[in-house]
Amino acid sequence: GAVVSQHPSRVICKSGTSVKIECRSLDFQATTMFWYRQFPKQSLMLMATSNEGSKATYEQGVEKDKFLINHASLTLSTLTVTSAHPEDSSFYICSASKPSDTQYFGPGTRLTVL
Amino acid sequence: GENVEQHPSTLSVQEGDSAVIKCTYSDSASNYFPWYKQELGKGPQLIIDIRSNVGEKKDQRIAVTLNKTAKHFSLHITETQPEDSAVYFCAASIGTSYDKVIFGPGTSLSVIP
Repeated sequence: GAVVSQHPSRVICKSGTSVKIECRSLDFQATTMFWYRQFPKQSLMLMATSNEGSKATYEQGVEKDKFLINHASLTLSTLTVTSAHPEDSSFYICSASKPSDTQYFGPGTRLTVL
Repeated sequence: GENVEQHPSTLSVQEGDSAVIKCTYSDSASNYFPWYKQELGKGPQLIIDIRSNVGEKKDQRIAVTLNKTAKHFSLHITETQPEDSAVYFCAASIGTSYDKVIFGPGTSLSVIP
C-alpha cells in the first residue's frame, strides 16, 4: 500500500505559461500533502504543506502567488506554477501522509521552461 | 530550527563491501528518523526508519542506528550490490511529527562491480 502518483512525469512549456501538476494518493486517504522542489545534485526543499480543505502553508521564500496549491480532496493535490520562467525549471516531487504516519513520495515531475 | 548534516557526500565501495552513511541533527525534540533512496529521475523511496524509543533497527542488508544523546544516526548497508547505487538521504522529524521532516544533503553511493 501507500502509493502516490504524479502527473505528468515530464512537461516542457514556454516562458509565461502556467503548468499544473497533479499528485494523487492511490490507496489511502492523505490528510496532508507536501510539495518539494529539487535542483540537480541537491536535496529536497520543502515548498509547502497542504491539508485537505484548507489553505496551504508555504515555506519562507516560496511565493504563494506563483506556486498555487489546491488540496481539494483526501486523495488529490495540485501544484500550479503560474507564469513560469526558465528559473522555475526543476524536479517537483509531492508526498502524502496520513495521521501519525510517514510521508510517501510520488515519482516526481520534471518541469522544463523554455 | 532543525538542521541535518550528512557525510560523506559521495561514497564508492566495491561490490560485497559495506557502506556507512552518517547524519547528525540539531533538534533534541526530533523523534523520527527515516532514510530514503533516490534513483536518478525518480522520487525518494523510504528504505528504513527508526523512532527514538529504539537504538537500532535492521531489515535484511540494511540497518540503522540512533544515538539520541549525541544526536546522530547512521545507515549501514552490508553486502552491497550494484543496484544499491543511488543517492541516499537521511531525514529528521521537525519536533515530534512523523510526517514533516528536514532532509540531509544526500550521499551519492556508487557500488563498483
